[in-house]
Amino acid sequence: KAGVTQTPRYLIKTRGQQVTLSCSPISGHRSVSWYQQTPGQGLQFLFEYFSETQRNKGNFPGRFSGRQFSNSRSEMNVSTLELGDSALYLCASSLGRRGSSYNEQFFGPGTRLTVL
Amino acid sequence: QKEVEQDPGPLSVPEGAIVSLNCTYSNSAFQYFMWYRQYSRKGPELLMYTYSSGNKEDGRFTAQVDKSSKYISLFIRDSQPSDSATYLCAMNNNAGNMLTFGGGTRLMVKP
Repeated sequence: KAGVTQTPRYLIKTRGQQVTLSCSPISGHRSVSWYQQTPGQGLQFLFEYFSETQRNKGNFPGRFSGRQFSNSRSEMNVSTLELGDSALYLCASSLGRRGSSYNEQFFGPGTRLTVL
Repeated sequence: QKEVEQDPGPLSVPEGAIVSLNCTYSNSAFQYFMWYRQYSRKGPELLMYTYSSGNKEDGRFTAQVDKSSKYISLFIRDSQPSDSATYLCAMNNNAGNMLTFGGGTRLMVKP
């Protein structure tokens, strides 16, 4: 079974630009969550999508947005990039079942974004 | 103050040692407790999860949760150089997939 894939693996952008990152979940998984990982703040939850709807949202500004397609693939967009947005962006997929808070999340390798 | 605190290390131990990794947390609503391992340039992979208080063992790994103290631990027995990685604790408050992570502890096991 193929794992979670993320593209691109590396990106370099300049301040003020926007960027779109892509995540393909494990086949059969309907939930995709996005996390930002930085040396200073660690891993922080951005948002979760399930069946094309945002189900949970972390404490990030509106410049960070996402969407999910009918095949469960998800994209994350960051507009008006700032230097502080430089980070590893990780996506995780899970079955996303309701009624149980434990859904093992499988992480992709991440996209390393550098903002100059 | 962060909701989940974890000593960043690095923690350096000789091969075969018993390793103890710990996290403290402040949110009493957390119910599920996980330990992830992250190798360089890779995404985190789940090692173990525990629901509420108690112990759980899986091979060389033992996870402990003490909700009264808001303290969780991961023990690694007979540590191997291949265990060298960053270990992240994570917690969930029954709100689905929104995990709150500790900052991670970098572990180095020397041959």
